[in-house]
Amino acid sequence: QVHLQESGPGLVKPSGTLSLTCVVSSGSTNGSYWWNWVRQPPGQGLEWIGEIFRDGNTNYNPSLRSRLTMSLDKSKNQFSLNLHSVTATDTAVYYCASRRFGDYGFSWGQGTLVTVSS
Amino acid sequence: EIVLTQSPGTLSLSPGERATLSCRASQSVGINYLAWYQQKFGQAPRLLIYGASSRATGIPDRFSGSGSGTDFTLTISRLEPEDVAVYYCQQFDASPYTFGQGTKLEIK
Repeated sequence: QVHLQESGPGLVKPSGTLSLTCVVSSGSTNGSYWWNWVRQPPGQGLEWIGEIFRDGNTNYNPSLRSRLTMSLDKSKNQFSLNLHSVTATDTAVYYCASRRFGDYGFSWGQGTLVTVSS
Repeated sequence: EIVLTQSPGTLSLSPGERATLSCRASQSVGINYLAWYQQKFGQAPRLLIYGASSRATGIPDRFSGSGSGTDFTLTISRLEPEDVAVYYCQQFDASPYTFGQGTKLEIK
């Protein structure tokens, strides 16, 4: 089973860029997986952010698309999230998650809290 | 986008009882494209059910999923104290892949 671990700054200033990386172990970013990001504001529910496939094909949530960039680094076996022009409403626990191509259910990383504040 | 509405918001039951959690979609969802997750306090979600009714690896057979179209159900038979959690449904039929708002399960 693929193991996922998020990393990145826990604090980002308003109007800045939120950047997170997810390292993949016990698996390969060149495998037939969709690599996903999901977030959860404190005390609230889950919001799907987007996904990227090994060929670089992406699928973004329209509510975030204008501010979102996802990328894949196969040499480091990791994938990344960049969310631009952040505000306090982007404060959340960010999870990376994976699903095998043709499967419809996520395996999850442990999550990382990102706070947007000056 | 497909809106998933879960009910009830909170469910309080005793150990050994059966829990029935509902997930209703704003439009039809193919049965392959409906998943259920369990999220315990302070933890990441865990996949319970995929394809509406298939248990994920390591999930006890006390957990079962059913339904089709716009109405799906997660059933937990013989509740145990460790089942305290928030349960979410998610659809993959159409992007964006939306989640329900969750059902909080309390054990008396």
